[in-house]
Amino acid sequence: LAKTTQPISMDSYEGQEVNITCSHNNIATNDYITWYQQFPSQGPRFIIQGYKTKVTNEVASLFIPADRKSSTLSLPRVSLSDTAVYYCLVGDIGGFKTIFGAGTRLFVKA
Amino acid sequence: DTEVTQTPKHLVMGMTNKKSLKCEQHMGHRAMYWYKQKAKKPPELMFVYSYEKLSINESVPSRFSPECPNSSLLNLHLHALQPEDSALYLCASSHQPGQGAPLHFGNGTRLTVT
Repeated sequence: LAKTTQPISMDSYEGQEVNITCSHNNIATNDYITWYQQFPSQGPRFIIQGYKTKVTNEVASLFIPADRKSSTLSLPRVSLSDTAVYYCLVGDIGGFKTIFGAGTRLFVKA
Repeated sequence: DTEVTQTPKHLVMGMTNKKSLKCEQHMGHRAMYWYKQKAKKPPELMFVYSYEKLSINESVPSRFSPECPNSSLLNLHLHALQPEDSALYLCASSHQPGQGAPLHFGNGTRLTVT
């Protein structure tokens, strides 16, 4: 399983774009990159998933460079309600284990 | 609201008690998971069920006993727990076994062992 490294915490202001980068140097060919968001006292919620290049949905964008050794979750125009922990996961699409890394605590200020 | 329902939301139990946590999903998912989460830590995988069969046990102590009666239900039986077992216990499901299928989590059971 590929190990991931993320910043422990980040601060931002409402209306700004936030980019959270995850490092995964030993990512394998079959591995996908998945991001989850977790609010206090709730279960994690799936945000976005990708394999290479760029993926966008109604919530976020995921940028993956050609070497796939890192990925960046981009949250456009954050609001106070985006204050949460964001987890980057890397794993084999055919595997069973979904292992969470330490996560990034994002705090959005008014 | 989530599509994975966990009961109870809160549970306080003594070290000699026996209790069970319940999880239910009606999305037709065939993989179900138990995670344990301590405060300010990431969720830790405990068990994985695939098509109602136990596929992964992450070296969890025997005082935790999972059960999957059918494709919609997942239980976690608790017996002789220790105070350090106090945590948020999260259930999740996915469409098919495998990391590539996104997990859908419930909001957990907050367990306190006294």
